[in-house]
Amino acid sequence: GQSLEQPSEVTAVEGAIVQINCTYQTSGFYGLSWYQQHDGGAPTFLSYNALDGLEETGRFSSFLSRSDSYGYLLLQELQMKDSASYFCAVVERSGTYKYIFGTGTRLKVLA
Amino acid sequence: ETGVTQTPRHLVMGMTNKKSLKCEQHLGHNAMYWYKQSAKKPLELMFVYNFKEQTENNSVPSRFSPECPNSSHLFLHLHTLQPEDSALYLCASSQDLEGYETQYFGPGTRLLVL
Repeated sequence: GQSLEQPSEVTAVEGAIVQINCTYQTSGFYGLSWYQQHDGGAPTFLSYNALDGLEETGRFSSFLSRSDSYGYLLLQELQMKDSASYFCAVVERSGTYKYIFGTGTRLKVLA
Repeated sequence: ETGVTQTPRHLVMGMTNKKSLKCEQHLGHNAMYWYKQSAKKPLELMFVYNFKEQTENNSVPSRFSPECPNSSHLFLHLHTLQPEDSALYLCASSQDLEGYETQYFGPGTRLLVL
């Protein structure tokens, strides 16, 4: 079957570094995306990894290990505005593309 | 502002009503999607359209009926819904299916079925 696991909630303080993990079990794995969603807002694309390794975009980095079926989102120099839910999403490709989303990790950044 | 707009933002309807959700994207994309987001659950893909053609129906009940008149507009027609259909309905778009991994979401329509 298909499954994605990520922690339900993470708390950190301003200026800290936080890592949100995502493990997946799926067939036809094509890549791993990360989205941010503030309360009442739309999910916003953050990053996409199709190959193993680290992708860096400003304060956010995303990592993928295909052999371990594992990825993470790393947020550095946390700011209050980073308080939001973060979703990992596996892109499957078996004929057509399909997104399988995780249940989301709620990040709380404390002053 | 992601370039994807949805109307209405909030909707309350009875189980016998018929209503429609509208999505419009101003990004020049060719693929559009409907998702359902319920509390404590992952986003569920409902429908996929590519160049106005439906490419995926994720076993969605027939009380949800999508329509895509052109690449910029997507509708979701609702009729005889159930209370468990109450959720946030999100529309998204991507350049095309090859750009599937980078989707731009609208703000959603929060639907309450009484």
